[in-house]
Amino acid sequence: QVQLVQSGAEVKKPGASVKVSCKASGYTFHIYGISWVRQAPGQGLEWMGWISAYNGKTNYAQKVHDRVSMTTDTSTSTAYMELRSLRSDDTAVYYCARTDAGGDYVLIDYWGQGTLVTVSS
Amino acid sequence: DIQMTQSPSTLSASVGDRVTITCRASQSISSWLAWYQQKPGKAPKLLIYKASSLESGVPSRFSGSGSGTEFTLTISSLQPDDFATYYCQQYHTFSPPYTFGQGTKLEIK
Repeated sequence: QVQLVQSGAEVKKPGASVKVSCKASGYTFHIYGISWVRQAPGQGLEWMGWISAYNGKTNYAQKVHDRVSMTTDTSTSTAYMELRSLRSDDTAVYYCARTDAGGDYVLIDYWGQGTLVTVSS
Repeated sequence: DIQMTQSPSTLSASVGDRVTITCRASQSISSWLAWYQQKPGKAPKLLIYKASSLESGVPSRFSGSGSGTEFTLTISSLQPDDFATYYCQQYHTFSPPYTFGQGTKLEIK
């Protein structure tokens, strides 16, 4: 069965960086992509971007594009999301999600358990 | 960016009720619309993709319809396990960011 297991909760100070990992199993990693979606406390879902595990191509949301990096390591079936220059409004649960990308679509079908990132001085 | 607007934001209903949630896109997304269910403290779960295709393992009481800019998620007969928050998302390749609706919280009446 498809599983995405994320790294544990993080507490960071404003201005710091955080790197969240997402280890995939139960499917052929490089055939799919990985999206990252965050959810601030009590709020809705915000799409941050996605990366193709096949060719490493990325597409980032404009809101975070200058502070985020998404990478994959196909040798360990692990995806990473690094967010720099953290601010208090980056406090959220960060989800990785398997992404099925075809010619016309980029569909999220399976989700990790989420990683809480708290930004506080 | 394409805006996704769900209505209502909150819906109170009883077990056995038929309920419908609407999602409107600010421009046409053809049928590239997904619905997710999220329970408190849990990750979202895919229910419907391509507007009306039921994800494997999802009960048949869930159904989706629509195309272009207007979409609906219908639950034919509410079960206790269905009380959750529901999100729509557009996922047309050529229209990033792949925005979510603001969510509809389905509560027990």
